[in-house]
Amino acid sequence: AQSVTQLDSQVPVFEEAPVELRCNYSSSVSVYLFWYVQYPNQGLQLLLKYLSGSTLVESINGFEAEFNKSQTSFHLRKPSVHISDTAEYFCAVSPLRASGSRLTFGEGTQLTVNP
Amino acid sequence: IAGITQAPTSQILAAGRRMTLRCTQDMRHNAMYWYRQDLGLGLRLIHYSNTAGTTGKGEVPDGYSVSRANTDDFPLTLASAVPSQTSVYFCASSDGPGYGYTFGSGTRLTVV
Repeated sequence: AQSVTQLDSQVPVFEEAPVELRCNYSSSVSVYLFWYVQYPNQGLQLLLKYLSGSTLVESINGFEAEFNKSQTSFHLRKPSVHISDTAEYFCAVSPLRASGSRLTFGEGTQLTVNP
Repeated sequence: IAGITQAPTSQILAAGRRMTLRCTQDMRHNAMYWYRQDLGLGLRLIHYSNTAGTTGKGEVPDGYSVSRANTDDFPLTLASAVPSQTSVYFCASSDGPGYGYTFGSGTRLTVV
């Protein structure tokens, strides 16, 4: 079984400041790692994912996440946030080579970017 | 546009009534899921289907049922709604491990 812990339920920051949303996971098998974003009154959208290879993965809107196997973490970072980044962010994992592809989600981190 | 369609978008339902939430995908994904999202509790899996003709229980299946007669449709039925089923319900689909999920826009259900 897998579990995901998002260490901060709410992260308030000012516009143009850097931000880090923390995610730790626990699993007895190798996993794929994902970050999803949910804007108000919308469904979740895939932001980025780590499957294999380079441990640093990037999204098209400036977010990046680094897989750290020894610390079982997959923290999400952005060097300079915009008001439009205000949303809830979910970290998720799924086991490799499992029947089906069920994701286990963290409880989410609400990022609020203030002017 | 390829994706998942959920209906209705929102609904107010009297307790004790039966309700079916609809979910249709046009991506030919094998796996489909139903989650509920509640403040402070994140996303909780209700039921899933790895392929047409099969279904399984998630972590909060009580009071809900699903069917998967074909690849595209995965309806969720509340046989007799209770106020604790007030929530936002999301349907999702996946093309397999490593692909992640595609989510629908959700159904906001209020049981009164």
